[in-house]
Amino acid sequence: KAGVTQTPRYLIKTRGQQVTLSCSPISGHRSVSWYQQTPGQGLQFLFEYFSETQRNKGNFPGRFSGRQFSNSRSEMNVSTLELGDSALYLCASSLVQGLYEQYFGPGTRLTVT
Amino acid sequence: DAKTTQPNSMESNEEEPVHLPCNHSTISGTDYIHWYRQLPSQGPEYVIHGLTSNVNNRMASLAIAEDRKSSTLILHRATLRDAAVYYCILRVTQGGSEKLVFGKGTKLTVNP
Repeated sequence: KAGVTQTPRYLIKTRGQQVTLSCSPISGHRSVSWYQQTPGQGLQFLFEYFSETQRNKGNFPGRFSGRQFSNSRSEMNVSTLELGDSALYLCASSLVQGLYEQYFGPGTRLTVT
Repeated sequence: DAKTTQPNSMESNEEEPVHLPCNHSTISGTDYIHWYRQLPSQGPEYVIHGLTSNVNNRMASLAIAEDRKSSTLILHRATLRDAAVYYCILRVTQGGSEKLVFGKGTKLTVNP
């Protein structure tokens, strides 16, 4: 069974631009969650989607948004990029809602210049 | 706010047991304790989770203190492949929303 895939793997953007990251979950998994990982703040939870609806949300500003499609694939969008948004963005999928036993992808490394 | 505290690093020898501690004194009654590990250049990997009782699976055991203010992840026989950063995490419910609150992690080194 294929694992969680994320595209692109690397991305360089300029401050003020917006970016969209994509995540394909493991087949049959209906929950997709997003995380930000930085050296300073560590791993932080962004949000979880299940059945195309955002179910849980972390403490990030509204510039960070997401959506989930009927095939469970998910996208995360960050608008008006700031230098501090440079991070590894990780996507994780799970069979059930609620942040249990998640399988993580390799991440998208975003650099904002 | 929910928070976990872990030692920055630990060292072990191959084929010996490893006990990774975690303090979570602010844990609430409904907060689950999760453990994930992250190998270099990879996403985190699920290890185990529990609420009140000790838990075992093929990868590890989780021992939870009776007052739930601390827990210990036990790797029964460390291998070189177990070298990773181990995160102790609380799954908390705040304002009707659930989220995972990660600790800073313990970097485990396994010596051959």
